[in-house]
Amino acid sequence: DGGITQSPKYLFRKEGQNVTLSCEQNLNHDAMYWYRQDPGQGLRLIYYSQIVNDFQKGDIAEGYSVSREKKESFPLTVTSAQKNPTAFYLCASSISASGVYNEQFFGPGTRLTVL
Amino acid sequence: GQQLNQSPQSMFIQEGEDVSMNCTSSSIFNTWLWYKQEPGEGPVLLIALYKAGELTSNGRLTAQFGITRKDSFLNISASIPSDVGIYFCAGRLGQGAQKLVFGQGTRLTINP
Repeated sequence: DGGITQSPKYLFRKEGQNVTLSCEQNLNHDAMYWYRQDPGQGLRLIYYSQIVNDFQKGDIAEGYSVSREKKESFPLTVTSAQKNPTAFYLCASSISASGVYNEQFFGPGTRLTVL
Repeated sequence: GQQLNQSPQSMFIQEGEDVSMNCTSSSIFNTWLWYKQEPGEGPVLLIALYKAGELTSNGRLTAQFGITRKDSFLNISASIPSDVGIYFCAGRLGQGAQKLVFGQGTRLTINP
């Protein structure tokens, strides 16, 4: 089955700890994205990557870091510098970041709660 | 950042009714996407639109790319309980644009 997987589904973290969220895709997509969703709000872009070993900041990158060492994987680290990390995190991918037909497809999400 | 104005924010309807929602912007978009999100899940792509005036259907769902390229509409006919969820519009500003701009979502609730 082709798709995007995110793990874990639920994650609890103590204040001051870094935590890494996993995102894997087997769609052979070049581009991958991380979004944050807060209750009752739309999606805000954290980071995106067009190709392996390349990534750019989105609208709310502060307190987050990413890596793109493999085409299939785009892990997101929520650092202790992120002041309000409790949220629903969504990973997405598309065939390419630019181009005409490049719809984004989403994973099932990870809900992070800081205790 | 850039925002899309999506309305209404919420809808409460009876099963069997038709539903209409829209997204507007002051900027011109070259792609419009409509997604549905159920509680605790990721958004699922419903319809993609690429040309001004384009009208595309997916079952009981129909979406249109506005002629001005500044808006898009989604209609659901004869609603059923499984239509419940949050519907998001998303747009791409330019052909080479690398990011999507999302609306705030329309929460649809259906009374059986």
